[in-house]
Amino acid sequence: GAGVSQSPSNKVTEKGKDVELRCDPISGHTALYWYRQRLGQGLEFLIYFQGNSAPDKSGLPSDRFSAERTGESVSTLTIQRTQQEDSAVYLCASSLTSGVSYEQYFGPGTRLTVT
Amino acid sequence: QQQVKQSPQSLIVQKGGISIINCAYENTAFDYFPWYQQFPGKGPALLIAIRPDVSEKKEGRFTISFNKSAKQFSLHIMDSQPGDSATYFCAASITFKAAGNKLTFGGGTRVLVKP
Repeated sequence: GAGVSQSPSNKVTEKGKDVELRCDPISGHTALYWYRQRLGQGLEFLIYFQGNSAPDKSGLPSDRFSAERTGESVSTLTIQRTQQEDSAVYLCASSLTSGVSYEQYFGPGTRLTVT
Repeated sequence: QQQVKQSPQSLIVQKGGISIINCAYENTAFDYFPWYQQFPGKGPALLIAIRPDVSEKKEGRFTISFNKSAKQFSLHIMDSQPGDSATYFCAASITFKAAGNKLTFGGGTRVLVKP
């Protein structure tokens, strides 16, 4: 079946502009995660959605970052007033939350460049 | 605070050799330790994972060794092949439902297998 998809694959924006990144999780996956990967570094957790529960926003680096998820489907990550330090690959992952598998399936990411 | 430390940052191994990557963690509440493989331009993909109730897990040419008392775990890639050239990330999480299974990643190891 289809994996996690993300759009756009690349985004170049000017400092100070707002950007919106989209994630389509695997159908039936109730958990959805956003991570940030700076060049040459590991992934950093940003935010977690589980069903209709309040999202875990503990990883968001500033109030310029926000995310929404519609039910158990699409999620959007919004970065307001982008800064150069926001340049990174933003990865989305989804997973089941029942059973014995905890595997998170990652999308290909959106490469954000702030000029 | 970096909760998962990974070494080395890069590794060159001859075809047929053994690649060894080490990780150390701090949070004793972690109960799930996956390794992810990432190729350029792609999202990470789960390679193998271990829970702390076992000391070793093997899947094909990939083996995780886990030392709970030392809070360390490692990935061994036996009979390394050029197709194994990728970046490898260790990670850790707490799978208790309320914790959300948020992954904390190591910094990554770039492995190059020379033919």
